[in-house]
Amino acid sequence: SAVISQKPSRDICQRGTSLTIQCQVDSQVTMMFWYRQQPGQSLTLIATANQGSEATYESGFVIDKFPISRPNLTFSTLTVSNMSPEDSSIYLCSVASSGSGETQYFGPGTRLLVL
Amino acid sequence: SQQGEEDPQALSIQEGENATMNCSYKTSINNLQWYRQNSGRGLVHLILIRSNEREKHSGRLRVTLDTSKKSSSLLITASRAADTASYFCAVSGTYKYIFGTGTRLKVLA
Repeated sequence: SAVISQKPSRDICQRGTSLTIQCQVDSQVTMMFWYRQQPGQSLTLIATANQGSEATYESGFVIDKFPISRPNLTFSTLTVSNMSPEDSSIYLCSVASSGSGETQYFGPGTRLLVL
Repeated sequence: SQQGEEDPQALSIQEGENATMNCSYKTSINNLQWYRQNSGRGLVHLILIRSNEREKHSGRLRVTLDTSKKSSSLLITASRAADTASYFCAVSGTYKYIFGTGTRLKVLA
């Protein structure tokens, strides 16, 4: 299994600002995913981040709002841009060693509150 | 959408009882996974069952998969207060995983 860390673990931000969340994995992985979990809700996939290519965004999520970097096989960042209170959520990164046949492991999450 | 839908949404049982949660989905899948989440923290992977499997066990957990009915169940036997958490199923058809709505389980001591 992979060990995943996220920074920051939580933050309180003012509307209109941006926050970059870091995700670090202890081993090289092909696929990294970013999810959002709004209060009391399930997880919604924001995008898939593969090293060496642009992230693939899900319907309802755009690169201008959630730019993602994936500089190598152990690290990724998600930026939440021009934040509003509706962006208050838990943001989770996850990894899978390959495609859909493999277990997905999650980081501890970043709890974001936008005032 | 492939999103899994789980029932019940919430379940409250006494310690020592069994807890059963169900997940239904809409399209063909490669595998189905169950996760636990404590108090809005990260998800812990519990078990993965592939589309050609019908049942898997792991400790006090038993998962079944019925692809003809597009449904899965998670059984937790002899529940403990520490099992109190939200439980999610996640289905995978291509490269990504779609999560269900979750079941909030409360085990009373």
